Amino acid sequence: EDQVTQSPEALRLQEGESSSLNCSYTVSGLRGLFWYRQDPGKGPEFLFTLYSAGEEKEKERLKATLTKKESFLHITAPKPEDSATYLCAVPMRHGSSNTGKLIFGQGTTLQVKP
Amino acid sequence: GAVVSQHPSWVICKSGTSVKIECRSLDFQATTMFWYRQFPKQSLMLMATSNEGSKATYEQGVEKDKFLINHASLTLSTLTVTSAHPEDSSFYICSARDYGTSYEQYFGPGTRLTVT
Repeated sequence: EDQVTQSPEALRLQEGESSSLNCSYTVSGLRGLFWYRQDPGKGPEFLFTLYSAGEEKEKERLKATLTKKESFLHITAPKPEDSATYLCAVPMRHGSSNTGKLIFGQGTTLQVKP
Repeated sequence: GAVVSQHPSWVICKSGTSVKIECRSLDFQATTMFWYRQFPKQSLMLMATSNEGSKATYEQGVEKDKFLINHASLTLSTLTVTSAHPEDSSFYICSARDYGTSYEQYFGPGTRLTVT
C-alpha cells in the first residue's frame, strides 16, 4: 500500500540552527515527490518536485534531496519567517490507472525562534 | 506561473442555506481539479476529484448530494455546499493539476466556511 510518513511531527529551532526534515515513502513506481509549505490559514505553497534518486533542488535556505526510500528537506540557517508546516506528497498509484491523487504525509510543523 | 485562486476567502452562512466556492486556475489549463477539506492541525483530506466536462469522483464517506462539484471549463471548478450545517464549517482548499505536466498540484489559498 502506498504510504508517506514525515518526521518529526514538530521541530523547534533557534534562528541560524540548521536541520533536516524527513519524508519516507512507500510507493510502486514513483512519479515524483513534492514538497509544499503551508502557513496557518492558507493553502499549501508548492516548493519542489523530485523525480529520481540523487536529485537535489534548492530554493533560498531550503534544499530537497531524494533517495529510493526517502526525501530530506534541509533548512540551512533558518529564519523566523521559515516557520510553517512542511508537507511532502507523492502521486498515488491505483492499479494501472492515473488518478493524479496525492498521498500526503502528516507534515512537520517548524518553529524558528529569533 | 501556476497560480490558483479561490473565492470567497471566507464566508459565513446560516444553517440550511447553500454556499458556492469558486476555484480558478489563472495562468494554466487544468483538466483535473481537486477539493480538499482541512480541520485544525490536521493534514489535507481529499473530498473529490473533478475532471473538466465529466462528473466528479467523490472519496468514500463524502456526500455527493451535499458537496456538489462542477468543473465546467479548463480553468474553473466550483464546490457548492448545500443545506449547510455547523458541522460543515471547515477550511476548504482546491488544487489544480496543470494539463501537460506530470502530477504537480497547485493549491488555492483556501476558503474558510463558518455555518451559524
